[in-house]
Amino acid sequence: GENVEQHPSTLSVQEGDSAVIKCTYSDSASNYFPWYKQELGKGPQLIIDIRSNVGEKKDQRIAVTLNKTAKHFSLHITETQPEDSAVYFCAARMAGAQKLVFGQGTRLTINP
Amino acid sequence: DAGVIQSPRHEVTEMGQEVTLRCKPISGHDYLFWYRQTMMRGLELLIYFNNNVPIDDSGMPEDRFSAKMPNASFSTLKIQPSEPRDSAVYFCASSYRTGGMGELFFGEGSRLTVL
Repeated sequence: GENVEQHPSTLSVQEGDSAVIKCTYSDSASNYFPWYKQELGKGPQLIIDIRSNVGEKKDQRIAVTLNKTAKHFSLHITETQPEDSAVYFCAARMAGAQKLVFGQGTRLTINP
Repeated sequence: DAGVIQSPRHEVTEMGQEVTLRCKPISGHDYLFWYRQTMMRGLELLIYFNNNVPIDDSGMPEDRFSAKMPNASFSTLKIQPSEPRDSAVYFCASSYRTGGMGELFFGEGSRLTVL
């Protein structure tokens, strides 16, 4: 089955700097790659997603890139703000399947 | 819509006791998922339902775990008997897959502590 690896497990950046989180997946049949943000005491919430027929997607300060050949995808957050501090999860889903497989998560801390 | 509603938010129980976690999905959603979150194993899918029918329960750790969805607006996850290693946050999520990629909407979770 699918396996998703996520790095780094913790990331600390200065407010205003950029943050990058990287994930790799194992199954080339995966075609949907969402990113979720989990704030303390809450459930994960979708922030951006990308399909395998697209190489990059942007939404204001966040962007996701996908390299199908290398089977990796990344989350980029620019001009980081204190409210970006949270745990971020990448995930992958195979075509035709319902099951989302999550990475282990990255705890992002934005230092003022 | 109020979102996915889970209860209880916190449960502390003793080893051997029965635990029942409850979930009300978003109205109109046709998929319901139960996930478990721990520091060691991250977010693990336990089971999911489509139109109230269990589709894949391969993630359910043992026979001590069972899940039901008697109707479109209610699901339960039961652990009997509970053990300390079951301590985790249990999330319920729902989605609407037809015609879309099926964004998962998570509840706020039920934090279970088994002493």
